[in-house]
Amino acid sequence: DSGVTQTPKHLITATGQRVTLRCSPRSGDLSVYWYQQSLDQGLQFLIQYYNGEERAKGNILERFSAQQFPDLHSELNLSSLELGDSALYFCASSVGTQPNTGELFFGEGSRLTVL
Amino acid sequence: GEDVEQSLFLSVREGDSSVINCTYTDSSSTYLYWYKQEPGAGLQLLTYIFSNMDMKQDQRLTVLLNKKDKHLSLRIADTQTGDSAIYFCAETNDYKLSFGAGTTVTVRA
Repeated sequence: DSGVTQTPKHLITATGQRVTLRCSPRSGDLSVYWYQQSLDQGLQFLIQYYNGEERAKGNILERFSAQQFPDLHSELNLSSLELGDSALYFCASSVGTQPNTGELFFGEGSRLTVL
Repeated sequence: GEDVEQSLFLSVREGDSSVINCTYTDSSSTYLYWYKQEPGAGLQLLTYIFSNMDMKQDQRLTVLLNKKDKHLSLRIADTQTGDSAIYFCAETNDYKLSFGAGTTVTVRA
């Protein structure tokens, strides 16, 4: 158990809909990272938050947004869903702002299926 | 991650050594990593190597780094069925880790 909690574990929805994925980081970790894992794209970095502020942005679509709340949990909002958004979405956390020693702790992921 | 490349599949017999190879692009990466993903689970850090090292050994794991060729490898000695998983190579790139596509290792009896 990494200490990172993601909900829901599985989600099935229709095209055009909007979903919210939630992540609670490991106790004491201030950074939260979101990654998307799909068969054709591999593991893609989406966005990072540190202590409530956006720190880095990767290949995140404009239809997607995220935030980190004062209690440090984070939510990833996916809207106007398309079939290609079907993927496993991982949240990871770390103590500091930069994963220099590789100490990213991953949750078990939220599997999104768009029909 | 288009910056990190790995072969996609590796099949190995139980008891043999596994070698997973990776090439990366960012020569300024301070650390390079190997993560393991078991079925239905998130990624877990296996080991990492500092960029000024050539080799790091940790029990059955040996990491070799060739900075000139930007080549990283992970050797698993005496591969066991529990080693069946997807192995990801990753490099630091600004504030994030960039991962390869992952190598699926299948251990056969």
